[in-house]
Amino acid sequence: AQTVTQSQPEMSVQEAETVTLSCTYDTSESDYYLFWYKQPPSRQMILVIRQEAYKQQNATENRFSVNFQKAAKSFSLKISDSQLGDAAMYFCACEDSNYQLIWGAGTKLIIKP
Amino acid sequence: ETGVTQTPRHLVMGMTNKKSLKCEQHLGHNAMYWYKQSAKKPLELMFVYNFKEQTENNSVPSRFSPECPNSSHLFLHLHTLQPEDSALYLCASSQERGLENTQYFGPGTRLTVL
Repeated sequence: AQTVTQSQPEMSVQEAETVTLSCTYDTSESDYYLFWYKQPPSRQMILVIRQEAYKQQNATENRFSVNFQKAAKSFSLKISDSQLGDAAMYFCACEDSNYQLIWGAGTKLIIKP
Repeated sequence: ETGVTQTPRHLVMGMTNKKSLKCEQHLGHNAMYWYKQSAKKPLELMFVYNFKEQTENNSVPSRFSPECPNSSHLFLHLHTLQPEDSALYLCASSQERGLENTQYFGPGTRLTVL
């Protein structure tokens, strides 16, 4: 079965510093989408960034960027200049052959002021 | 929070009750999803509708019954639930199942089964 693994249940970072959240996945597909979603406390899940697997260039959205290594099936999220509003649960997801999203268990990100 | 809305936001019900969760999307999407989110577990996909047709039912117990009257509305009918069904139920929508699949989520319904 396809799986997504987020090995860090919790991470903390000092405000204004950089943090990297890890994600590995397992798929037999050659083309698929990968996603990072953010879920702030008591607020709804929102898309942070997405990557199409056939594109070698890493996706970037302002302070958020990914390190996508297809051969290693790794899709980490880097947050630069961390802000208090970045505190949330972060979920990694991979699209499977049925176009369903397979989700990781999440990483809780704590921002220290 | 106007893209995907869910009501009620909180629900407490006994095991013999019947209740319904409602989801509405204002994004012009054609695919809608129900997920169950339990603490420290990955999101569990329950049901998928694409153009009002149910395309996925991931072995969900029959005490959960979905309904999709049109592409904008999705319901989850609940009856004779168990305490282990207590969770956050998330609704999501996407443009169309199979096309890049970016899903947009509602705020969820926090369900407690006593």
